[in-house]
Amino acid sequence: GIQVEQSPPDLILQEGANSTLRCNFSDSVNNLQWFHQNPWGQLINLFYIPSGTKQNGRLSATTVATERYSLLYISSSQTTDSGVYFCAVGDSGAGSYQLTFGKGTKLSVIP
Amino acid sequence: DAGVIQSPRHEVTEMGQEVTLRCKPISGHDYLFWYRQTMMRGLELLIYFNNNVPIDDSGMPEDRFSAKMPNASFSTLKIQPSEPRDSAVYFCASSFLGVGTQYFGPGTRLTVL
Repeated sequence: GIQVEQSPPDLILQEGANSTLRCNFSDSVNNLQWFHQNPWGQLINLFYIPSGTKQNGRLSATTVATERYSLLYISSSQTTDSGVYFCAVGDSGAGSYQLTFGKGTKLSVIP
Repeated sequence: DAGVIQSPRHEVTEMGQEVTLRCKPISGHDYLFWYRQTMMRGLELLIYFNNNVPIDDSGMPEDRFSAKMPNASFSTLKIQPSEPRDSAVYFCASSFLGVGTQYFGPGTRLTVL
């Protein structure tokens, strides 16, 4: 199956700082999603981005499918950005709509 | 829309008991996914349905686990009999189209004593 590696595993930021989270995957995909799991456990979908670039407020994401990686940018971080960020990928060409999740990047934003 | 609804939010049971987790997907979504999250294994897909039909159950750990979707607005995940190693947070998610954005419910935290 597809392997997903996220880096860094842990990140501590001062409020207001910017950060880049990376997701590498081992095979071609046609489905890539970024999620934020807040400290209360809720999983929120941030982006559906199998290729290209998207922006939503202070967050943006870029996927370079040919090079098998995706980046999530967080600008002007706030304490509410704390939590775990997951990258999940899938390839329906393999006959399944399964998403494989990475282990996540745990972000702590301190005031 | 209220989003994906799961019940109960917390379940504590004793080993050997039957556990039933419930999920109501977002109206109009044709795919429903059941995931399990543990510290050791992270987030794993257990099974998913398309138009109420189970499509891929390769992630179901063993025969003690079963899932049904009797109609477009309701699904259950049953564990019988439960074991302590089943303790985890179980999430239900739904999407419109298989490759579409997945929306997760709040999860059910299961503790098996």
